[in-house]
Amino acid sequence: DVKVTQSSRYLVKRTGEKVFLECVQDMDHENMFWYRQDPGLGLRLIYFSYDVKMKEKGDIPEGYSVSREKKERFSLILESASTNQTSMYLCASSPPGGSSDTQYFGPGTRLTVL
Amino acid sequence: QQQVKQSPQSLIVQKGGISIINCAYENTAFDYFPWYQQFPGKGPALLIAIRPDVSEKKEGRFTISFNKSAKQFSLHIMDSQPGDSATYFCAAKIPSYGKLTFGQGTILTVHP
Repeated sequence: DVKVTQSSRYLVKRTGEKVFLECVQDMDHENMFWYRQDPGLGLRLIYFSYDVKMKEKGDIPEGYSVSREKKERFSLILESASTNQTSMYLCASSPPGGSSDTQYFGPGTRLTVL
Repeated sequence: QQQVKQSPQSLIVQKGGISIINCAYENTAFDYFPWYQQFPGKGPALLIAIRPDVSEKKEGRFTISFNKSAKQFSLHIMDSQPGDSATYFCAAKIPSYGKLTFGQGTILTVHP
């Protein structure tokens, strides 16, 4: 069964802290994605990766960075958290293009920055 | 720039009724149009999807209608049930890396 796990369901951090959000998939997928979900705005792509050590900016990369050292793990980093980064963060993975277009999502991490 | 626009933002339907959610897109390069369903506390999950070479796809009570010339597509839920209460997202994909652009989401509530 397909599984995408995220390290925390809820996280509370202070302004200026460095925050790491971890995502692990067990499906041997090449593609991995980080989104943030905000009411009325839907899901917006922050970064994605199509291979180990490869990354591409999404639609809203400002204030974020990512790391993909292993195929199964994709980390989202907030270098200096700000209150406007309070949101639900969703990780997803998918097979390489052509084999399947389905993205499989984790349960999300609700981050609050105080 | 919002490339996929979804409406309505929220929808209330009585049990047994038809729920209709609409999406419009701008980029004619999109080649895949999925709908995702999200229950509270869960990540979105693929519900049904369509490619632009067909005008309709049906899976059980769920149907996608696709109008290529109008650049619109919609989700119809027949015989809506309280268990269908969830947030629904339309999306569209360009043919590279599986990158999806999502609509704003619709919160569907089905009253018993």
